[in-house]
Amino acid sequence: DGGITQSPKYLFRKEGQNVTLSCEQNLNHDAMYWYRQDPGQGLRLIYYSQIVNDFQKGDIAEGYSVSREKKESFPLTVTSAQKNPTAFYLCATQWTSGYNEQFFGPGTRLTVL
Amino acid sequence: DQQVKQNSPSLSVQEGRISILNCDYTNSMFDYFLWYKKYPAEGPTFLISISSIKDKNEDGRFTVFLNKSAKHLSLHIVPSQPGDSAVYFCAASETQGGSEKLVFGKGTKLTVNP
Repeated sequence: DGGITQSPKYLFRKEGQNVTLSCEQNLNHDAMYWYRQDPGQGLRLIYYSQIVNDFQKGDIAEGYSVSREKKESFPLTVTSAQKNPTAFYLCATQWTSGYNEQFFGPGTRLTVL
Repeated sequence: DQQVKQNSPSLSVQEGRISILNCDYTNSMFDYFLWYKKYPAEGPTFLISISSIKDKNEDGRFTVFLNKSAKHLSLHIVPSQPGDSAVYFCAASETQGGSEKLVFGKGTKLTVNP
């Protein structure tokens, strides 16, 4: 059963705590991406990685960190430095050659209380 | 500085009629364009794409048109069905740039009324 897994679907944390969102894929895609969606907004890119052990900042990387130790996994840590962490977080994957679409996971809704 | 703009936040059409969703872009280096459909609390699903060497791409009820001189693309859904009700995102990428990042518009919420 191929696909992208994000867990959990809903996550609650207290203000000031770091939290790590999981993203796992078995599509054998090279590139992985993290986006954030806020109400009335499009998808904004947080971080992306085109190859293991390498990643790049997106448009809104402040307050977030990532790692890419395995091709299948790209966890996102929302740190206490992120001022407005409550949002819907989406992970995506993509082949890196040619014209290819990104495939999205089901998302994680993070609420910071 | 929005590089991809969807100027209509919402659109309402009758079942069976045509839905036309519009998207404008400013970066002339974009050469690949995509449309995604998204339901609340779910990830977007890919609908249809077009490369800059074409001006039209069709897949069933969905057709995307690209006007490069106007930096404009549109998604036509014919005939519209109630199940098409969702938020539609336009996205663009610069495939020659080496990163293949997608830039998304803010979305248009389509409501198809029975």
